[in-house]
Amino acid sequence: AQKVTQAQTEISVVEKEDVTLDCVYETRDTTYYLFWYKQPPSGELVFLIRRNSFDEQNEISGRYSWNFQKSTSSFNFTITASQVVDSAVYFCALSEAASGYSTLTFGKGTMLLVSP
Amino acid sequence: DTGVSQDPRHKITKRGQNVTFRCDPISEHNRLYWYRQTLGQGPEFLTYFQNEAQLEKSRLLSNRFSAERPKGSFSTLEIQRTEQGDSAMYLCASSLRLAGGQETQYFGPGTRLLVL
Repeated sequence: AQKVTQAQTEISVVEKEDVTLDCVYETRDTTYYLFWYKQPPSGELVFLIRRNSFDEQNEISGRYSWNFQKSTSSFNFTITASQVVDSAVYFCALSEAASGYSTLTFGKGTMLLVSP
Repeated sequence: DTGVSQDPRHKITKRGQNVTFRCDPISEHNRLYWYRQTLGQGPEFLTYFQNEAQLEKSRLLSNRFSAERPKGSFSTLEIQRTEQGDSAMYLCASSLRLAGGQETQYFGPGTRLLVL
């Protein structure tokens, strides 16, 4: 069975600090997809990134970057120079291709609080 | 380009009443998913549709839960004889499945249910 672990329940930083959110996953499939979503206080889950299991290249998008390492089954998310607007709950999720449909298995989320 | 919409955004009901939630997906998307999210947890998969066919419903929480997607457009999720344990956020997501199995789910704002 697939599982996603986000060990950090809550992280507090001061604006402009860099912060890394950890994600560790478990799956028996060789083909799978990893995702990060942001959930601000309004409640809507906002898609940030999708990565497939065959693509281990790190990705950077503005202040956001992701580090995918299959050897450690990790898909960590770094925010550089954090801002107050980054305050939200961040979810890592996994879907397996073998099932034929893309049920997302989510971690419990990491709440990020960025103070001015 | 409108996103996924859900109605109502908030619902307060008394135990034993029936409630129905509506989800309107992104127009060109062929897949629609329902999730439930309780406080401090990640979303939990309930059911999904491909066009009008409900292809997975074994994860619906009980036989009090049912979902429909007539004509493959909007979907409804009904909970009969609500219980206090049904209090949660109900999230809808839609996606367009591409060749090779790549798929990204986009979420609506959710319906927050409180059962008194």
